[in-house]
Amino acid sequence: DAGVIQSPRHEVTEMGQEVTLRCKPISGHDYLFWYRQTMMRGLELLIYFNNNVPIDDSGMPEDRFSAKMPNASFSTLKIQPSEPRDSAVYFCASSRTGIGASGTYEQYFGPGTRLTVT
Amino acid sequence: GQNIDQPTEMTATEGAIVQINCTYQTSGFNGLFWYQQHAGEAPTFLSYNVLDGLEEKGRFSSFLSRSKGYSYLLLKELQMKDSASYLCAVSYTDKLIFGTGTRLQVFP
Repeated sequence: DAGVIQSPRHEVTEMGQEVTLRCKPISGHDYLFWYRQTMMRGLELLIYFNNNVPIDDSGMPEDRFSAKMPNASFSTLKIQPSEPRDSAVYFCASSRTGIGASGTYEQYFGPGTRLTVT
Repeated sequence: GQNIDQPTEMTATEGAIVQINCTYQTSGFNGLFWYQQHAGEAPTFLSYNVLDGLEEKGRFSSFLSRSKGYSYLLLKELQMKDSASYLCAVSYTDKLIFGTGTRLQVFP
C-alpha cells in the first residue's frame, strides 16, 4: 500500500494568497483527519471525516480554513486568505475504523505539507 | 478539559532505560496512545492502552492507570535511533488529542 499521500510537500506563499493542501487516504479507510503541528502548540486536530462526511470541525481556527472530502479517496484543506501565523506542518491521517471500535484503531499519517506564509 | 502533560525534553544514554510520563484530564476517555515522531517526519503509532496495566511490545512498553489519569512509555536497551519525539495522545470519541510531545535525545 502506498500509505497516505499528501501534496504538495512544501508550500511557500505570500500573505493573502489562497493555499490548497491535498490528501489521499489509504484505500478502505473510513476516517480522515487533518492536523496542524507547530512548535508552540504541538499537534492539533483541525477536522475529521467519517465516510466523507465532516464529523467535527471544532478545531478549525477560523473561517479562513475550510475542508472538503468529495469522495473516499480525496480531501482538501484550503486556507483563504493565508496569514503568516498559518505557517506550520499540516498532516493528513486516515484510519480504518473509529477509535474504540473493534479492529484496527491506528491512525496512519501522511508525510505532511510544510507551509510557509511570508 | 483535555489537559495532557508530558515533559518537554529528556536525555538518556545508549543501552539505558528511560520512562516518559504522561498525565491527562479528560472526560469521555476511551484510551491512550503513544506515537513516535522523528525530526521532519510523520508520527508513527507505537502503542495503545485502554485497560489498566502494562502492554509490552519488544523494547517498548506502555502503562496506563485510568483512575490516576496517568500513563508512561518505557523504552529499554536504548539505541541511537530512538532519539525522537514521543507523543502521548488521549482518545475522545473518535478523536485523538495530542500532548506537545517529549523530545528524547540518546547519547552514546
